[in-house]
Amino acid sequence: QQQVKQSPQSLIVQKGGISIINCAYENTAFDYFPWYQQFPGKGPALLIAIRPDVSEKKEGRFTISFNKSAKQFSLHIMDSQPGDSATYFCAASIQTGANNLFFGTGTRLTVIP
Amino acid sequence: DVKVTQSSRYLVKRTGEKVFLECVQDMDHENMFWYRQDPGLGLRLIYFSYDVKMKEKGDIPEGYSVSREKKERFSLILESASTNQTSMYLCASSFPQTGWNEQYFGPGTRLTVT
Repeated sequence: QQQVKQSPQSLIVQKGGISIINCAYENTAFDYFPWYQQFPGKGPALLIAIRPDVSEKKEGRFTISFNKSAKQFSLHIMDSQPGDSATYFCAASIQTGANNLFFGTGTRLTVIP
Repeated sequence: DVKVTQSSRYLVKRTGEKVFLECVQDMDHENMFWYRQDPGLGLRLIYFSYDVKMKEKGDIPEGYSVSREKKERFSLILESASTNQTSMYLCASSFPQTGWNEQYFGPGTRLTVT
């Protein structure tokens, strides 16, 4: 079963708009929540990550919002640019033991000029 | 700069063939992973390894095996390729317990089994 549920599957946003991708999880033992960005023909690369002791983390135009009680987290891309067009994956893991990443199903973002 | 390389970008094999996918990382990472990526299914873990000669099954190990004889190299083996193994295969590596658990991915091998 999917440990991390991600939506939407695809997203089209106008240049300058805000892109929002949502993820939800069930396992309360997860304590690390990264987002990966994948451009066509490339492997995924870490974009930004958060631990559950904070509710928000911002890096430039990218922000993770984290709601521990709802077991949800989201990626916000402010002032979206055509260069942000990529597939985005949320993930979750437990930072002890196996610390494998459980990935969401991905969101294909297209930013229209 | 961390580099994870995969032996082939594209591969076409016939049903029943034995297929080897090779992955090499140059950062002395202990952990290595093999995923397959399919549209609508995301990245699914096939096998992972914490150390040389060690391997653990992931979520979808059936039809696959792995080999890790050297720290920098992790091989994925399809013993008898089938059409449902047509997919994008991604290799990744990471340090154990760095705190942020960042995985570094290779560019992927797109395998087509006919």
